[in-house]
Amino acid sequence: EAGVAQSPRYKIIEKRQSVAFWCNPISGHATLYWYQQILGQGPKLLIQFQNNGVVDDSQLPKDRFSAERLKGVDSTLKIQPAKLEDSAVYLCASSSPGGGYEQYFGPGTRLTVT
Amino acid sequence: QKEVEQDPGPLSVPEGAIVSLNCTYSNSAFQYFMWYRQYSRKGPELLMYTYSSGNKEDGRFTAQVDKSSKYISLFIRDSQPSDSATYLCAMRRSNDYKLSFGAGTTVTVRA
Repeated sequence: EAGVAQSPRYKIIEKRQSVAFWCNPISGHATLYWYQQILGQGPKLLIQFQNNGVVDDSQLPKDRFSAERLKGVDSTLKIQPAKLEDSAVYLCASSSPGGGYEQYFGPGTRLTVT
Repeated sequence: QKEVEQDPGPLSVPEGAIVSLNCTYSNSAFQYFMWYRQYSRKGPELLMYTYSSGNKEDGRFTAQVDKSSKYISLFIRDSQPSDSATYLCAMRRSNDYKLSFGAGTTVTVRA
């Protein structure tokens, strides 16, 4: 079974630029999550999708962050414009309806904003 | 106050030692408790999970939950250099898939 795929693995941008991350979950997983992990901290949930609908985006900074999962499969997370404090690893995870607790994480995209 | 508190360490132990990790939490609604292992530049992978209070053992790993004290632990017996990683505790409520994570404890097992 292929795992959660993410790209790019690394990205360096200047502040005020825009950036997009892509995630392809495990086949058949209806639930998809985007997390932000700042160095030295645990992952923080940004947004959760169930199929192509948003379940929870309460911690997504909506003035600069957006995410979509148009066909209920892969997803993109965008930041526009980026700030220095957005430097972090962006993790994508997915889970299946019957899987409950187990979220499978991708390798993450390490973003550096200079 | 953070919802989940975890000592970031770092923790350095010799090979074969017992590693003891713990987290405290404030939300009494948490029912599911998990430990994730995260190797450098990798995503977290689920190591152990426990529902409500009690102990669970899996090979060299033992997870304990004490809901009365809002305290969870992970023990690694006969630690190996390959156990060197960051260990994250996580927890959630019964009807909510949203995980609340601790900050992670970085463990180094010296050969």
